[in-house]
Amino acid sequence: DVKVTQSSRYLVKRTGEKVFLECVQDMDHENMFWYRQDPGLGLRLIYFSYDVKMKEKGDIPEGYSVSREKKERFSLILESASTNQTSMYLCASSMTAVARDTQYFGPGTRLTVL
Amino acid sequence: GIQVEQSPPDLILQEGANSTLRCNFSDSVNNLQWFHQNPWGQLINLFYIPSGTKQNGRLSATTVATERYSLLYISSSQTTDSGVYFCAVPPTEQRKLSFGAGTTVTVRA
Repeated sequence: DVKVTQSSRYLVKRTGEKVFLECVQDMDHENMFWYRQDPGLGLRLIYFSYDVKMKEKGDIPEGYSVSREKKERFSLILESASTNQTSMYLCASSMTAVARDTQYFGPGTRLTVL
Repeated sequence: GIQVEQSPPDLILQEGANSTLRCNFSDSVNNLQWFHQNPWGQLINLFYIPSGTKQNGRLSATTVATERYSLLYISSSQTTDSGVYFCAVPPTEQRKLSFGAGTTVTVRA
């Protein structure tokens, strides 16, 4: 079975802090994604990566950056956390860079910025 | 970009009841997926269904691509069916998916 893990289930940070969210997949998938989930808005794509060191902006990249130095690991970085970044963050991976491929999701990180 | 609308936003069912969830999308697509998020937050893929009908146990899905909608049927619902159901379609950029806002289903024993 594909396993996608995220570094924390719950995280509390203060405004202005630099925050790292880590995601690791164990199936040699090419594609990795970061979403945020807010009530009534569904999942919104922040960034995705289709190869090591490659990244593309999603629908809401402002205030975020990403890093993919190794194929299995995709990091989401909040350079200076703000209260409006309080949300559930979900990481996903898929085998290839084709939208019809199944996306496998991690358990999510619920981030609270005070 | 493509708009994805799901209805109803919330659904409360008695165990054993049947229900239908709807997903409308604003543009032609060649890919549509349904996902379930359990109450603990874990999201799993239920169906890849760009057109036609598929069944998986008590769940089935139908997509009518020419009319830009998809339906997810839950039969003989169980408490384990509770959670949020999302449909997702690719926008112009084919390497990603756009998600609807979801339908929250609560099945009561």
